[in-house]
Amino acid sequence: DAGVIQSPRHEVTEMGQEVTLRCKPISGHNSLFWYRQTMMRGLELLIYFNNNVPIDDSGMPEDRFSAKMPNASFSTLKIQPSEPRDSAVYFCASSLSGGSVYGYTFGSGTRLTVV
Amino acid sequence: GNSVTQMEGPVTLSEEAFLTINCTYTATGYPSLFWYVQYPGEGLQLLLKATKADDKGSNKGFEATYRKETTSFHLEKGSVQVSDSAVYFCALSEGSGYSTLTFGKGTMLLVSP
Repeated sequence: DAGVIQSPRHEVTEMGQEVTLRCKPISGHNSLFWYRQTMMRGLELLIYFNNNVPIDDSGMPEDRFSAKMPNASFSTLKIQPSEPRDSAVYFCASSLSGGSVYGYTFGSGTRLTVV
Repeated sequence: GNSVTQMEGPVTLSEEAFLTINCTYTATGYPSLFWYVQYPGEGLQLLLKATKADDKGSNKGFEATYRKETTSFHLEKGSVQVSDSAVYFCALSEGSGYSTLTFGKGTMLLVSP
């Protein structure tokens, strides 16, 4: 299995531009999570999906952030417009049935820099 | 609510030294407990887990025992290597189904030759 695949690995963009991060979960996993990691705040859960349905988006910082999961094999996290404070590493993770027993499998992350 | 507290780092050790990274938790029910490791520039990888009290999780020479009486899940390794240098995260998940993982802030381990 190729694991959780994220793209791009690195993204540098100018303030005000739209940014789209992509994630392909492990085949057969029915839960998907988006996390943000910064030195100041550590790991923050932004949103998670179960069977392609958003279950909890209370961690999404503001309306500039949106996430979709149109099918079981693909999810996007979009920031529009981007701001310098959005600079962070964004991780996607997937799991079987919420991860309470099996844990999560993380992707390698997308390092976003907004200048 | 649920929470995980880890010892602050960095933890600096010489190769072959004994490692302990403390982790305590607060949960209302009977959580599953996990240790994840993050190597530089990579995502988090599941290192080990325990799903009920007194269970011992182990992997790659690392061990942790689920202690319900002290609400702890300390990570130990008898002899660390330079390649163990990474950030270690303790986490818990309560219940089943839609329960998510709650992570600690992470502890950086630096091992010198």
